[in-house]
Amino acid sequence: GAVVSQHPSRVICKSGTSVKIECRSLDFQATTMFWYRQFPKQSLMLMATSNEGSKATYEQGVEKDKFLINHASLTLSTLTVTSAHPEDSSFYICSASYRSDTEAFFGQGTRLTVV
Amino acid sequence: GENVEQHPSTLSVQEGDSAVIKCTYSDSASNYFPWYKQELGKRPQLIIDIRSNVGEKKDQRIAVTLNKTAKHFSLHITETQPEDSAVYFCAAGGGFKTIFGAGTRLFVKA
Repeated sequence: GAVVSQHPSRVICKSGTSVKIECRSLDFQATTMFWYRQFPKQSLMLMATSNEGSKATYEQGVEKDKFLINHASLTLSTLTVTSAHPEDSSFYICSASYRSDTEAFFGQGTRLTVV
Repeated sequence: GENVEQHPSTLSVQEGDSAVIKCTYSDSASNYFPWYKQELGKRPQLIIDIRSNVGEKKDQRIAVTLNKTAKHFSLHITETQPEDSAVYFCAAGGGFKTIFGAGTRLFVKA
């Protein structure tokens, strides 16, 4: 299957700083990528849909100024957690697919800890 | 908005028994129903999927059924093995986005 690479896998940052997470599709072009947040022992909560060359579509309740998404190319989407706080600590995971009616390929996830 | 409900949240079975996980979806536009398995600390991986023009699909010990009229779909695992222990997610896609169920934590006791 296709490969989606996410970086970094783990990051610890101080409160008030910003953290950037990258999601790359290595062997296919993904016009659409998705960003999820996963709390311990819980499901994948869709945060936003990232569209190449246009603004991301955020789910209800997700602050777009807090979670900045940039999809500058067909193989790269970035999620920036701005002014991070301890409650932002979580597991963030991206996925990409050719279309919404095909398999989603997930990155390996990023565990963010804000201290 | 669109919603996918998944039951049960936790399932414990004895090795060799069958396990069934059920999902319902709300978006009539959905036409693609994948199932993902997530092992601890790893990314979700597709294990089987079904499209709306098919009622049932089987792959060795895993089968999925779809009732599009009732908007129900289910995952069946037969002859469970300890390595089947993981979290399983159903999803409904085909519209603008894919919506995931809440997940089922499956424990297979040896």
